[in-house]
Amino acid sequence: AQSVTQLDSQVPVFEEAPVELRCNYSSSVSVYLFWYVQYPNQGLQLLLKYLSGSTLVKGINGFEAEFNKSQTSFHLRKPSVHISDTAEYFCAVSELDGTASKLTFGTGTRLQVTL
Amino acid sequence: DAGVTQSPTHLIKTRGQHVTLRCSPISGHKSVSWYQQVLGQGPQFIFQYYEKEERGRGNFPDRFSARQFPNYSSELNVNALLLGDSALYLCASSPLQGPGYGYTFGSGTRLTVV
Repeated sequence: AQSVTQLDSQVPVFEEAPVELRCNYSSSVSVYLFWYVQYPNQGLQLLLKYLSGSTLVKGINGFEAEFNKSQTSFHLRKPSVHISDTAEYFCAVSELDGTASKLTFGTGTRLQVTL
Repeated sequence: DAGVTQSPTHLIKTRGQHVTLRCSPISGHKSVSWYQQVLGQGPQFIFQYYEKEERGRGNFPDRFSARQFPNYSSELNVNALLLGDSALYLCASSPLQGPGYGYTFGSGTRLTVV
């Protein structure tokens, strides 16, 4: 089974500054990677996904992520954050486990944007 | 178009009771999965159903069960509730079976066991 490591539990950043949220996954032949955002008291919203093709993936709200197979990483970036980006961010890998199609999540990174 | 809808949004139960949570997937989606998110942690896989058949379950006790109906909606049942079952329960739907399809999540049901 796959595993996902989010190296930073919290990332404080000032508004309009760039940010990178780090994610590493365990190696596999085929990998499908996702980033989700969770605002307080809400469910998960898909930011972006990597299935195949270009290693640079663009998502919603100005976020992008780069798939790096050699480093087994899928870091999330935004060149200029806004107060409204304050939320919990989850990296996840999708896999077939037996006959089940499932997501394995990291422990999350809390992005705190301040003025 | 309606997204994934879950009901109820919140509920409080007493230890030892039983609870049923409900999920309606996006129209046309045939796969439904359930996840448990304990405070401060990432969601953990509980069940996946596709075409009304259980395709897999995570590392959860037999107190947890689920089913999928002909209209692809789903129920998650938890018996003999423990304090540790307090969590946000998330339902996700996907159009087909397979790891490469996107998953759309509902807003969740917040269960508090007292």
